[in-house]
Amino acid sequence: DARVTQTPRHKVTEMGQEVTMRCQPILGHNTVFWYRQTMMQGLELLAYFRNRAPLDDSGMPKDRFSAEMPDATLATLKIQPSEPRDSAVYFCASGFLAGGSYNEQFFGPGTRLTVL
Amino acid sequence: AQSVAQPEDQVNVAEGNPLTVKCTYSVSGNPYLFWYVQYPNRGLQFLLKYITGDNLVKGSYGFEAEFNKSQTSFHLKKPSALVSDSALYFCAVRDRGYGGSQGNLIFGKGTKLSVKP
Repeated sequence: DARVTQTPRHKVTEMGQEVTMRCQPILGHNTVFWYRQTMMQGLELLAYFRNRAPLDDSGMPKDRFSAEMPDATLATLKIQPSEPRDSAVYFCASGFLAGGSYNEQFFGPGTRLTVL
Repeated sequence: AQSVAQPEDQVNVAEGNPLTVKCTYSVSGNPYLFWYVQYPNRGLQFLLKYITGDNLVKGSYGFEAEFNKSQTSFHLKKPSALVSDSALYFCAVRDRGYGGSQGNLIFGKGTKLSVKP
């Protein structure tokens, strides 16, 4: 049963610390998304990649957030330095997009981040 | 601009009654439409999608959705609600096309469904 995995599931850190979240997309998927969910803002798209290339990261605060895909099996989202307002649940999702076909996105379980 | 709206923050239904969660969209051209469900402390799970063809789409857990092009709506329905259906439901739309930002899903704010025994 193929799933998107995310680590860590929970992270508590202090303001100013670096946070790294990891995602393993489903094997064969060519598109990876990072979302942030908060009560106030709902689900926000932060960044996404296709075939490991970043296509859009306009949803991310550029000064502190960075997203990368070092290889096809790993996507990372880093926050440096972290701030209390970054507290949220961060979701990774993967999917397959090719030509005229588009399959649904599959979401990971999320990383719940708390910045004190 | 592309958008999707879920006009109800919360829907309350008695167990056994039919339920409807509303969604309207605005995109250029014909859309791809999706419904996802999120249970507490979980990621979003795919329920169903409309790409083309029959306007009534059947999905997981007995849910179905009706695509109405003239009303630009894609309401989620279930004939008989279960307490276990209580969750957060998201409607999403993607514009057809390939490349650039056209592959994104645009999610609604979500509707909390509460099914009481």
